Amino acid sequence: EAQVTQNPRYLITVTGKKLTVTCSQNMNHEYMSWYRQDPGLGLRQIYYSMNVEVTDKGDVPEGYKVSRKEKRNFPLILESPSPNQTSLYFCASSSTDRSYEQYFGPGTRLTVT
Amino acid sequence: GQSLEQPSEVTAVEGAIVQINCTYQTSGFYGLSWYQQHDGGAPTFLSYNALDGLEETGRFSSFLSRSDSYGYLLLQELQMKDSASYFCAVRDEGGSYIPTFGRGTSLIVHP
Repeated sequence: EAQVTQNPRYLITVTGKKLTVTCSQNMNHEYMSWYRQDPGLGLRQIYYSMNVEVTDKGDVPEGYKVSRKEKRNFPLILESPSPNQTSLYFCASSSTDRSYEQYFGPGTRLTVT
Repeated sequence: GQSLEQPSEVTAVEGAIVQINCTYQTSGFYGLSWYQQHDGGAPTFLSYNALDGLEETGRFSSFLSRSDSYGYLLLQELQMKDSASYFCAVRDEGGSYIPTFGRGTSLIVHP
């Protein structure tokens, strides 16, 4: 089954404790992205990757890091989480020729206290 | 950069027709997508318009006017399960071809 998986689905952590949210896709997609969703603000892009070892900042990259060492995986790293990073996070992937059709993971609800 | 405007909320009754509008400002416009998101769920792709005109997929249609920087999603024969948030997303030629999303429209369908 074609899918994007994220782990964990729910996470409660404390300020400053490094964490990683994993994302994996099994569709051999070149493009992968991370979004955060906050009430009234829609989906805002954090980082994106157009292929292995190619990453770039989206609209709200501060406080986040990513890496793309393998085509299928695109982890999101919060080196020192802060309460304003409490949000719902989505990973998405798409092919090069249909980049308008994003496939989203189930989401990770992160709470930073 | 890009900016997209869509209404924050739309209400309608079962069986009716509803139109959700989206206006955008961007350079190097490439196309407009629509996504649906139910509460607690992930966004799912509905449709894409690169050229002017209407694209129909079952009960849903999407329209684009490039000259007016405007598009809409039309939902016909509304059902209760259509209650969800709907996002328009613009793909342009700056930086990446990955869409930038609007803030979303919450559609509430009443019986």
